[in-house]
Amino acid sequence: QKEVEQNSGPLSVPEGAIASLNCTYSDRGSQSFFWYRQYSGKSPELIMFIYSNGDKEDGRFTAQLNKASQYVSLLIRDSQPSDSATYLCAAAYALNFGKGTSLLVTP
Amino acid sequence: DAGVIQSPRHEVTEMGQEVTLRCKPISGHNSLFWYRQTMMRGLELLIYFNNNVPIDDSGMPEDRFSAKMPNASFSTLKIQPSEPRDSAVYFCASSTGTDKNIQYFGAGTRLSVL
Repeated sequence: QKEVEQNSGPLSVPEGAIASLNCTYSDRGSQSFFWYRQYSGKSPELIMFIYSNGDKEDGRFTAQLNKASQYVSLLIRDSQPSDSATYLCAAAYALNFGKGTSLLVTP
Repeated sequence: DAGVIQSPRHEVTEMGQEVTLRCKPISGHNSLFWYRQTMMRGLELLIYFNNNVPIDDSGMPEDRFSAKMPNASFSTLKIQPSEPRDSAVYFCASSTGTDKNIQYFGAGTRLSVL
């Protein structure tokens, strides 16, 4: 069974803080990883993707991948209330999604 | 581009009835995915097509579920007969089919089986 695991949360952070979302995966064959954001009642939308070990930055978002530890994370700097949503981690090889982490950014 | 288009947006039906969900992928995308999302199980892949051919249907829960992709611009997911436990949001997504597999999701169909 190819699993992608996330802490369901909710993760609550104050506005302006760094939110750290984590994900582990079981399939060492996975080559690419994605973070999707899903607002309540809406469809998932792509935030970041990462294929190589290390960090990838895009604006306030940084994705981190460690293939040896089978670990992916998403950092959101200067968190805003509009970042409040569920964040889904996906391992593309098996098209598996985690169940998502609910993030709440409080003003 | 209009994005991935799903219809209907909402469907309410009675147990035992046939339900057909429809999806139009983004033009030029040659991979199409059907997902089901519930609070308990999260987002589950049901089936995906590449160049209109079903590649992996291992996520289809049982024989009551079937999916077709008769051409590059249209796919259906059918449930016959429907049961209350099928109530969920069904998403269709498409991608260019490269190994990067960036998927673009439709707005979803919220299905309620009474």
